[in-house]
Amino acid sequence: GAVVSQHPSRVICKSGTSVKIECRSLDFQATTMFWYRQFPKQSLMLMATSNEGSKATYEQGVEKDKFLINHASLTLSTLTVTSAHPEDSSFYICSARPPGHTEAFFGQGTRLTVV
Amino acid sequence: GNSVTQMEGPVTLSEEAFLTINCTYTATGYPSLFWYVQYPGEGLQLLLKATKADDKGSNKGFEATYRKETTSFHLEKGSVQVSDSAVYFCALRTGNQFYFGTGTSLTVIP
Repeated sequence: GAVVSQHPSRVICKSGTSVKIECRSLDFQATTMFWYRQFPKQSLMLMATSNEGSKATYEQGVEKDKFLINHASLTLSTLTVTSAHPEDSSFYICSARPPGHTEAFFGQGTRLTVV
Repeated sequence: GNSVTQMEGPVTLSEEAFLTINCTYTATGYPSLFWYVQYPGEGLQLLLKATKADDKGSNKGFEATYRKETTSFHLEKGSVQVSDSAVYFCALRTGNQFYFGTGTSLTVIP
């Protein structure tokens, strides 16, 4: 199957700093990638849809200035959590659906802890 | 609108017991249906899928049948193993958008 790789898997940062999370499609081109946030023992909450070469589409209630998304190439999307605070601590997951596939493939997730 | 309703957990079973996790959906059009599995600290992995009514998805002993008349896609396994302990998500796709259920945590004890 297709591979979506996410990096880093874990990151701890200080309050007020910014953190960048990368999501790569390793064996296919992805014009669209999705970013989710998952709280403990809860489902995935779609944060935004990342579109290659254009602006991301954010879900209602998600601060676009806080969660910056860049999709500069067909294989890479990045999520930058700016001026992170402890309440931003969470598990972030990206996904993409390869052309011709019905299903989406997910990255391994990034556990962000803001101290 | 589109949504997925999934049986709440947690579910605890003894090894070799029969598993059913219920999933029903609401959707416009003709969605594709999925079950994903998430192991601790990891992303989601596709377990099985079905793209049209009456299709049966199966993988690793798990099965689910796309029932349009009852808008359901229940997950079943005849004999669970300890290694099946994980969180299971039912999902649907319409167009390019995915919708997930809340997840059901399964623990299988020896």
